[in-house]
Amino acid sequence: NAGVTQTPKFQVLKTGQSMTLQCAQDMNHEYMSWYRQDPGMGLRLIHYSVGAGITDQGEVPNGYNVSRSTTEDFPLRLLSAAPSQTSVYFCASSKSGGPNQPQHFGDGTRLSIL
Amino acid sequence: GNSVTQMEGPVTLSEEAFLTINCTYTATGYPSLFWYVQYPGEGLQLLLKATKADDKGSNKGFEATYRKETTSFHLEKGSVQVSDSAVYFCALSGPTDSWGKLQFGAGTQVVVTP
Repeated sequence: NAGVTQTPKFQVLKTGQSMTLQCAQDMNHEYMSWYRQDPGMGLRLIHYSVGAGITDQGEVPNGYNVSRSTTEDFPLRLLSAAPSQTSVYFCASSKSGGPNQPQHFGDGTRLSIL
Repeated sequence: GNSVTQMEGPVTLSEEAFLTINCTYTATGYPSLFWYVQYPGEGLQLLLKATKADDKGSNKGFEATYRKETTSFHLEKGSVQVSDSAVYFCALSGPTDSWGKLQFGAGTQVVVTP
């Protein structure tokens, strides 16, 4: 009963480095998304996907790339890390994008950019 | 666009006290409304939801009523416990945007003391 699994849980990067945050769900959910959580700002949507092969931008997409080659996985790539990307990142999934579908969240990845 | 405003914290209460966290929203039409809870070191969990006007969501002693006339979705609990200490997020989705895209408030930290 894993739900949404995010790896790693913690990561420290230097400015300019690239990395991929992993997200996997085992609930056969079609809808997946990435949020970042910053103090006093709640969670903001970075990118989302309504199914394999389909992705779209959210509120704060700059500096991030995503792809969705399978239903289960939705990795988030930082192309060239910047200190402004220091944040806690959450992946979420839901069965569909409908009004009655709650989002299931992973435990988060805490990322620090030096 | 859509937006959610919730009261700032931290809110500090004694055990068995009454809790209210105010949440108001701006949206076109009838969005779905949610309360999520985040316990320390964990991801967000759905606490309750309401998908149409006058609906009351309830779970674990918490309640919130979807008030279209005041565009509000205030969270209440009659008698809090130490285990209710967490950060609470009000959120909405739809209807003019994808239902799966959540718009969050900034979050309200609640601290319950014995």
